[in-house]
Amino acid sequence: GAVVSQHPSWVICKSGTSVKIECRSLDFQATTMFWYRQFPKQSLMLMATSNEGSKATYEQGVEKDKFLINHASLTLSTLTVTSAHPEDSSFYICSVKQENTGELFFGEGSRLTVL
Amino acid sequence: LAKTTQPISMDSYEGQEVNITCSHNNIATNDYITWYQQFPSQGPRFIIQGYKTKVTNEVASLFIPADRKSSTLSLPRVSLSDTAVYYCLVGKSNFGNEKLTFGTGTRLTIIP
Repeated sequence: GAVVSQHPSWVICKSGTSVKIECRSLDFQATTMFWYRQFPKQSLMLMATSNEGSKATYEQGVEKDKFLINHASLTLSTLTVTSAHPEDSSFYICSVKQENTGELFFGEGSRLTVL
Repeated sequence: LAKTTQPISMDSYEGQEVNITCSHNNIATNDYITWYQQFPSQGPRFIIQGYKTKVTNEVASLFIPADRKSSTLSLPRVSLSDTAVYYCLVGKSNFGNEKLTFGTGTRLTIIP
């Protein structure tokens, strides 16, 4: 069964609205989760590292005020795309690191379309 | 993190063995090699991981030469459902706090 659950799997919104994507670790607690973005026919690009109980670490070029990350519990991290614009349309994927083994598990992804 | 280079795309017929090679010239002593598979509109899925020589599981084999500067993912008798993008990543086994960097990947297309 799935180890990581993302919700919603797809979402369509109007330009200027905010969208929240959830990433849940179903089988274990995770202090570290990662958020990726993937444009069509391109590779995954790491956006940020989500740390439970502390601020997320963003990659260069990723606006922290636009992509709000909250990792309030050991099983849930959320990514909020604020004031979304059509160029934010993308496939957003989270991954969860199992602390004991270091193994990474990826969510099924969330496809965001901004009209 | 060691940079990886893979062919952008490959085609193969059903039933054949497919070998995808990844170059990682700057691999560090404590780095492992991990391969992921990604279907359209899905997250990547772990296939296999190795450090040296050969590793085999129920879906694939991974061949790593002694110098570890490259690795080859081998998929035996592929089927249409193996059409996907395959990514080779290099890093510590537990990845620690490393940030995973995905390269371009290899887009494998299986032809009926």
